[in-house]
Amino acid sequence: EAQVTQNPRYLITVTGKKLTVTCSQNMNHEYMSWYRQDPGLGLRQIYYSMNVEVTDKGDVPEGYKVSRKEKRNFPLILESPSPNQTSLYFCASSIAGGIYEQYFGPGTRLTVT
Amino acid sequence: AQKVTQAQTEISVVEKEDVTLDCVYETRDTTYYLFWYKQPPSGELVFLIRRNSFDEQNEISGRYSWNFQKSTSSFNFTITASQVVDSAVYFCALSGPNSGGYQKVTFGTGTKLQVIP
Repeated sequence: EAQVTQNPRYLITVTGKKLTVTCSQNMNHEYMSWYRQDPGLGLRQIYYSMNVEVTDKGDVPEGYKVSRKEKRNFPLILESPSPNQTSLYFCASSIAGGIYEQYFGPGTRLTVT
Repeated sequence: AQKVTQAQTEISVVEKEDVTLDCVYETRDTTYYLFWYKQPPSGELVFLIRRNSFDEQNEISGRYSWNFQKSTSSFNFTITASQVVDSAVYFCALSGPNSGGYQKVTFGTGTKLQVIP
């Protein structure tokens, strides 16, 4: 089954404790992206990647890191999480870029206390 | 910079009514792509439609239809004879070449539709 998976689905952590949210797709898609969803703000793009070792900032990259060492994986790293990063995070992939429909993972609800 | 505005935060309709969700966008690009996604209460995001800026033909898919008007920078979504299963948050999105070379995708803030039985 074609899908985007994210882990963990739920995470409660404390300020400053490094964490990684994993994202993996099995569709051989070139493009992957991370979004955060906050009430009243919709979905905002954090980082995107057009291919292995090619990543770039979205609209809200501060406090986040990403890497794309393999085509199928695109982890999101919060090196020193803060409460304002409490949010619902979605990973997505598409065939080749933002002009194609994106397939989304199930979301990761992160709470930073 | 590109921008997507969904001015309707929440809409409630009674089942079988028609409802239109508005999407207004801003971009300096002449070529761009517009999308609609649905997020039902279960939380997943589901793709509904993709339209490029050169194709202004309206599209119909079952009870769903989309009206793209470049003159007013709008890409509105109409659900005919709404059903309870249409209850969801609907997002409009935009991608263009001058914002990350078609890599950046800008979403609106979403419209929450509640269909009352």
